[in-house]
Amino acid sequence: EAQVTQNPRYLITVTGKKLTVTCSQNMNHEYMSWYRQDPGLGLRQIYYSMNVEVTDKGDVPEGYKVSRKEKRNFPLILESPSPNQTSLYFCASSSFGPNQPQHFGDGTRLSIL
Amino acid sequence: AQKVTQAQTEISVVEKEDVTLDCVYETRDTTYYLFWYKQPPSGELVFLIRRNSFDEQNEISGRYSWNFQKSTSSFNFTITASQVVDSAVYFCALSVSGNTPLVFGKGTRLSVIA
Repeated sequence: EAQVTQNPRYLITVTGKKLTVTCSQNMNHEYMSWYRQDPGLGLRQIYYSMNVEVTDKGDVPEGYKVSRKEKRNFPLILESPSPNQTSLYFCASSSFGPNQPQHFGDGTRLSIL
Repeated sequence: AQKVTQAQTEISVVEKEDVTLDCVYETRDTTYYLFWYKQPPSGELVFLIRRNSFDEQNEISGRYSWNFQKSTSSFNFTITASQVVDSAVYFCALSVSGNTPLVFGKGTRLSVIA
């Protein structure tokens, strides 16, 4: 089954404790991206990757890091999480870029205390 | 810069009513793509439609229809004979050619009451 898998689905942690949210897709997609969803703000793009070893900042990259060492994986790293990063996070992938329909993961709800 | 405006934050309708969700976009690019996504209460995001800037033909898919008008920079979504299962948050999104982020509107929460 074609899918984008995020882990964990839920996480409660404390300020400053490094965490990684994994994202994996099995569709051989070149384009992957991360979004955060906040009430009243919709979805905002954090980072995206057009292909392996190619990553770029989205609209809200501060406080986040990503890597794309393999085509299928695109982890989101919070080196020193802060409460303002409490949010619902989505990973997405598509064949070639943002002009294609995005396949989204089920989301990761992060709470940073 | 690109921008998507969904002016309706929340809409509530009674089952079987028709409802239109508005989407207004801004871009200076002549080549761009518009999308609608649905987020039901379960939380996942589901792709509904993609339309490119060169195709102004309206589209109908069952009870769903989309009206793309470049003259007013709008890409509105109509649900005919709404059903409770249509209750969701609907997002309109815009992408342009090149290496730029996909931009989403803030979403419209649709509640269909039985």
